[in-house]
Amino acid sequence: SQQGEEDPQALSIQEGENATMNCSYKTSINNLQWYRQNSGRGLVHLILIRSNEREKHSGRLRVTLDTSKKSSSLLITASRAADTASYFCATDDQGAQKLVFGQGTRLTINP
Amino acid sequence: EAQVTQNPRYLITVTGKKLTVTCSQNMNHEYMSWYRQDPGLGLRQIYYSMNVEVTDKGDVPEGYKVSRKEKRNFPLILESPSPNQTSLYFCASSSRTSGDTQYFGPGTRLTVL
Repeated sequence: SQQGEEDPQALSIQEGENATMNCSYKTSINNLQWYRQNSGRGLVHLILIRSNEREKHSGRLRVTLDTSKKSSSLLITASRAADTASYFCATDDQGAQKLVFGQGTRLTINP
Repeated sequence: EAQVTQNPRYLITVTGKKLTVTCSQNMNHEYMSWYRQDPGLGLRQIYYSMNVEVTDKGDVPEGYKVSRKEKRNFPLILESPSPNQTSLYFCASSSRTSGDTQYFGPGTRLTVL
């Protein structure tokens, strides 16, 4: 069953604003990952946060993880047109050796 | 440059004509997998491989075969393609397991008529 669910499904903001995307999942995890996909292209890994971490930064990205609420958020600060893409959270189903992806948030940055 | 390559990138074929989508990685990764991406259904795993000669089914393996004879290659075989296999396919690899950072190929857009 689909584990990660992103919210919102679509987000449109002005360049320079911050973008926040949320992800919820259902079962216990070892880690949670965020990926970006430009239209019709391969997924690119952005950041991995482990279950014992609460917050992680990478450049303009900030990820939080709340295991008690089974949720994570991805914040992109000072957005740029090049950030326009779909963003997916993924959790690891170790028993099945697969990543379970959410449906993604489609982010549009307007110039 | 560390990368995962897939070929072909685009393919239009007809029902029943066997095809192979190749996947190759140059990072000496043990774990490789195939996903298909469909609108409204997201990414679903087809098959995965933990190492050479070790493969297992994912969520949607019907109509597909794989092999892992070499560490770097993980081809996806459609013995008798059908229109419901029209999709965007991605190969991914990681150092050991599904929990590690996945490196995705550029995708193969397959249309079966």
